[in-house]
Parts: sequence; C-alpha cells; structure tokens
Amino acid sequence: DSGVTQTPKHLITATGQRVTLRCSPRSGDLSVYWYQQSLDQGLQFLIQYYNGEERAKGNILERFSAQQFPDLHSELNLSSLELGDSALYFCASSAGQGPPDTQYFGPGTRLTVL
Amino acid sequence: GEDVEQSLFLSVREGDSSVINCTYTDSSSTYLYWYKQEPGAGLQLLTYIFSNMDMKQDQRLTVLLNKKDKHLSLRIADTQTGDSAIYFCAESGFNQGGKLIFGQGTELSVKP
Repeated sequence: DSGVTQTPKHLITATGQRVTLRCSPRSGDLSVYWYQQSLDQGLQFLIQYYNGEERAKGNILERFSAQQFPDLHSELNLSSLELGDSALYFCASSAGQGPPDTQYFGPGTRLTVL
Repeated sequence: GEDVEQSLFLSVREGDSSVINCTYTDSSSTYLYWYKQEPGAGLQLLTYIFSNMDMKQDQRLTVLLNKKDKHLSLRIADTQTGDSAIYFCAESGFNQGGKLIFGQGTELSVKP
C-alpha cells in the first residue's frame, strides 16, 4: 500500500459526459501528479501540483482540468468525454517538487467511456 | 523531443538473470528510474540513478547507465516468479518539476 488513495476504482460513463477523479496524497506529501495509462499512448504525464499551485504540465487536453485543494487532495476533471479517453488514470504524490523525490503511485481509476 | 524506448517482452527461467534495456533521448535528463507494475496495481519505484553515475546496486538489482549512448539497463539477479511484472524506465528532465517521461514498459515473464 503506497498510502495514496484514489476514488473511484472504476468508472463507466457515456461519451459527452463529465467525470471527476479524486486523489488523496500520502500524509505529508505536497506534490500530486496525474498520469494517464492507455494501450495506444502508454503512460503519459498530465499535470503536477505542488502545495496548491500548478508546477508542471504535460500533454493534458483542454477538456481536462485539475486542481489541488488546501487540504492537498486533488481532483482531475474530464469533460466532453470521448471513447479515446478510456484509460487508467493514476495519481502519484511526493514530498517535494521534483527529483529525486520518490513518486508514490495510487492504485488508479479505470475509466471506461461507452 | 523527449522519448524513452524499451523492448516490449522478455522471458527468462527462474534463477537466471534478467536484463531489461532502455534508451532515452533527452540529454538534459537528471534522474533515471525503474518502476515495476504488477497486474491491477499502481507503479512501484524499484530504484533510480542520478545522471552523473555509471552504476548503482541495490540487493538483486543493478542499474547501469551509459550517458554517452543514453542507454540504461536494469539487471535482476536470481530472477524469481514473483518478479513477473511490467517494468518501466522513466526519466526526469532538468527544470521540469516532477514530470516523468515513461517508456512503453517491458513485460517480464519468469518461467519456473
């Protein structure tokens, strides 16, 4: 158990809908990261927040947004969902802003868009 | 741009050594990592190496880094069936926060 929790574990929804994925980092960690894992794209970095502020951004679609709240939990919002958004979404957390801090990964949320 | 490449599959016999290879393109990489993903689970950090090191050993794991060729390898000694998993190589670039660029993953199958 990494100490990072993600809810829900599974999510099934329809195209055009909007969903929110939630992540609670390990106690004391200030950074939260979001990654998308799909068969065709592999594991892709989406975005990082550090202590409430955006720290680094990857290939995150405009339809996707994230935020980190004062209690340090984070939410990833996915809107106007498309079939291609079906993937495993991982959250990770680390103590500091970047390397060599270890990123601890949660178990993921599996999103299926029908 | 940044790219990390790995071979997709490796099959070994229990007790043999496994060597998983990775190449990367970003010459500003600061740290290189090996993660393990078991079925239905998140990623678990196995080890990492700073880009100015050549080698790092951690129990059964040995990481070799050839910075000139941008080649990283992970050797697992005395491979066990419990080592069967997908292994990801990842790199972090200079001044990019905690962003990790991952390879496609190498599926290691250990046969008894």
